[in-house]
Amino acid sequence: DGGITQSPKYLFRKEGQNVTLSCEQNLNHDAMYWYRQDPGQGLRLIYYSQIVNDFQKGDIAEGYSVSREKKESFPLTVTSAQKNPTAFYLCASSKTQGRTGELFFGEGSRLTVL
Amino acid sequence: GQSLEQPSEVTAVEGAIVQINCTYQTSGFYGLSWYQQHDGGAPTFLSYNGLDGLEETGRFSSFLSRSDSYGYLLLQELQMKDSASYFCAVRETGFQKLVFGTGTRLLVSP
Repeated sequence: DGGITQSPKYLFRKEGQNVTLSCEQNLNHDAMYWYRQDPGQGLRLIYYSQIVNDFQKGDIAEGYSVSREKKESFPLTVTSAQKNPTAFYLCASSKTQGRTGELFFGEGSRLTVL
Repeated sequence: GQSLEQPSEVTAVEGAIVQINCTYQTSGFYGLSWYQQHDGGAPTFLSYNGLDGLEETGRFSSFLSRSDSYGYLLLQELQMKDSASYFCAVRETGFQKLVFGTGTRLLVSP
């Protein structure tokens, strides 16, 4: 079955540590995204990538970094510069163009900073 | 700036009909999407309106009025499993990058 796989599902980190969240998709989608969700709030865009080896900052990119070396993979690194990293992180993918406005989401990674 | 407004919570009983409204102010507009998210889960796509009017998908319908910068999601024959958060999201460009609202929590009671 095609889909998006995020790992780990739960992650605990000490302050000052960088962590990397994995996102892999086998939907053959060109575009991939990282969103952050805080309790009771909507999704805010961190980074997105339309094609391999290219990515753009979203609305809240500070303290985060990404890479897009392969079409299937779009890992997110939460750096120690991110002041409030405890959140639910969602990876998504989509066809680049089209009229559907449809994103396919992974099951998310919940990061807690101790 | 970007702004999408939804009610924070809506309650209804099984079998009823409920409407969740979304008003938006964005720099560009290509269409309005709706997503459902159960607690702790992934958002799942429900519908998309690129043009004015009503789109129907089973028990769910979505409406868009571009002139009013307004849309709604209509859920009919409510079931307990419909208890979830519902998000509207605006597609601002030809690309699929979406801006999400803060979500409406729907509570369905017996």
